[in-house]
Amino acid sequence: QVQLQESGPGLVKPSQTLSLTCTVSGGSISSATYYWSWIRQHPGKGLEWIGFIYYSGGTYYNPSLKSRLTMSVDTSKNQFSLKLSSVTAADTAVYYCARDQIGVVPFDYWGQGTLVTVSS
Amino acid sequence: QSALTQPASVSGSPGQSITISCTGTSSNVGSYKLVSWYQQHPGKAPKLMIYEGSKRPSGVSNRFSGSKSDNTASLTISGLQAEDEADYYCCSYAGSSTWVFGGGTKLTVL
Repeated sequence: QVQLQESGPGLVKPSQTLSLTCTVSGGSISSATYYWSWIRQHPGKGLEWIGFIYYSGGTYYNPSLKSRLTMSVDTSKNQFSLKLSSVTAADTAVYYCARDQIGVVPFDYWGQGTLVTVSS
Repeated sequence: QSALTQPASVSGSPGQSITISCTGTSSNVGSYKLVSWYQQHPGKAPKLMIYEGSKRPSGVSNRFSGSKSDNTASLTISGLQAEDEADYYCCSYAGSSTWVFGGGTKLTVL
């Protein structure tokens, strides 16, 4: 059973860079079958797809966040990461990582989520 | 990339059936079969309930069913149970390797 776990600072100052890592266990991140995604949920609000990365490093980003986003993958550690620059209070949210079976089943496995608050 | 439109809330009594709609456009729901539905209980991660419009993952009750017509997808829950009370989100492929979610619907079991 694949499991995903987010980790990273829970508090980030405005204008700084938010950095999160997702560790995958119970399966290989290097599988050609999956994309590895980030999704966020503002407090009391709906879900927002942020983007995803392939094991080879190929990325696809939400156009509304693209200018501030960088995703990377470390196959040796079975991890993938998210960096969101120039954050504001509007980036305060629960951030989830999730697995996407390419072309078939989006977001079939999710991490538990981690709350990131942007505040000075 | 506008969010898909869902009703803010729906309710039903135990044993009844309810349907949640998800309205998109010809750029997302209307053009692709890749519509999925997620259930989210408070403080928990979303759980996949339906994918490809009408398919259920292993382990999901057959009380949950999905359909699609033109730009609108629907989730129907039959035989409502107290444990079904949760938020429900639809999601659609939107082309160019992007995805869009609905705003979410709060289901109350009376």
